Amino acid sequence: EIVLTQSPGTLSLSPGERATLSCRASQSVSSTYLAWYQQKPGQAPRLLIYGVSSRATGIPDRFSGSGSGTDFTLTISRLEPEDFAVYYCQQSGTSPWTFGLGTKVEIK
Amino acid sequence: EVQLVESGGGLVKPGGSLRLSCAGSGFTFSIFNMNWVRQAPGKGLEWVSSISGMSSHINYGDSLKGRFTISRDNARSSLYLQMNSLRAEDTAVYFCARERRFCSSNNCPRALDIWGQGTMVTVSS
Repeated sequence: EIVLTQSPGTLSLSPGERATLSCRASQSVSSTYLAWYQQKPGQAPRLLIYGVSSRATGIPDRFSGSGSGTDFTLTISRLEPEDFAVYYCQQSGTSPWTFGLGTKVEIK
Repeated sequence: EVQLVESGGGLVKPGGSLRLSCAGSGFTFSIFNMNWVRQAPGKGLEWVSSISGMSSHINYGDSLKGRFTISRDNARSSLYLQMNSLRAEDTAVYFCARERRFCSSNNCPRALDIWGQGTMVTVSS
């Protein structure tokens, strides 16, 4: 199975700062099948990014995705208070689908 | 409103069985692949299983080893997960999620765009 390694595990930042989250795959992932999700405590995950870089409906443009092959990045250009949450990358190109362990973005 | 609502979770003893349900509304259920994803307490997300619209393609996570069975009833807009031989490590919130393909001219990326609120399964004696 494809293992997705997310780093850092926790990111401590202040509102207004830029957040850069990494997702590294154990083998190449087609860009068609790399997505990012946001999850807040007690809530279901919410789709942010699909196809590496396309924003889902209603997702603000401060969220952007990039990368290819085995290295992918989610960037939040200026953190808003509602952005403090856990973020997961996911690949759906090879069964079994896999998620990374997540990066928690917390308020510094 | 597009919505998924899970039910059927609860407390079950090790070795027991449980059937989860997920009711879809606000969209044409039969044309979407559907998935189950679980999350153990304090842990990350784990993909469990997927089923195509007409049930012709089914996949499972490696850790399930034939204990879980996914199915659907399009007439009832419902998704199911039959879980047998349950273990303590199956304790988790189970989410159902709709798989959407975002097709453009030459590309068809897919992702889980709609999620239910989850149903808690606790396996304990």
